[in-house]
Amino acid sequence: AQTVTQSQPEMSVQEAETVTLSCTYDTSESNYYLFWYKQPPSRQMILVIRQEAYKQQNATENRFSVNFQKAAKSFSLKISDSQLGDTAMYFCAFMALDHTGANSKLTFGKGITLSVRP
Amino acid sequence: NAGVTQTPKFQVLKTGQSMTLQCAQDMNHEYMSWYRQDPGMGLRLIHYSVGAGITDQGEVPNGYNVSRSTTEDFPLRLLSAAPSQTSVYFCASRRQRMNTEAFFGQGTRLTVV
Repeated sequence: AQTVTQSQPEMSVQEAETVTLSCTYDTSESNYYLFWYKQPPSRQMILVIRQEAYKQQNATENRFSVNFQKAAKSFSLKISDSQLGDTAMYFCAFMALDHTGANSKLTFGKGITLSVRP
Repeated sequence: NAGVTQTPKFQVLKTGQSMTLQCAQDMNHEYMSWYRQDPGMGLRLIHYSVGAGITDQGEVPNGYNVSRSTTEDFPLRLLSAAPSQTSVYFCASRRQRMNTEAFFGQGTRLTVV
């Protein structure tokens, strides 16, 4: 079974600064995907960024980037130039591919609440 | 394009009552799932389906039933509501292969009194 660990329950950052959210995972699978989802106060779940495990290059989406360390099973999210709209709960998630190559269950961490201070 | 439509958005039940949370998607996704979100617990998988007629249990299935008679719909039934089922429920859908992004409904906040 896969596990996803987000050990920091809360973080705070000043507007325009950079913040890094940590995530570790445990799996015996070799083929999988990792995700960061954002949940603002509206409750909507929004995909921020995804990383395929077979890709060595770290994924980047505008101000959001990841540091994917496969050997260490670490997948951190860096938010640059933080904005007030980044205030939300962030979830790290893991999904393996099964033996047929099909997507398997999506497993979430417990989440981290990020507050961006004006 | 409506995406994933989940109803109702809010519901209050009395202990022992039954109800069905509705979930429908119009993206022809094979994979659909139900999660519950509780403070400090993240999202936990209740049940999932890889296609019409196929369902399976997730991490916390007790007290819930599902069925998948069509590709589009995946209702979640609470047979006899208990206070421990007070939670926010999310339905999600995605392709079984290729594009791996999961699309979520807007959630249902359920309170059992």
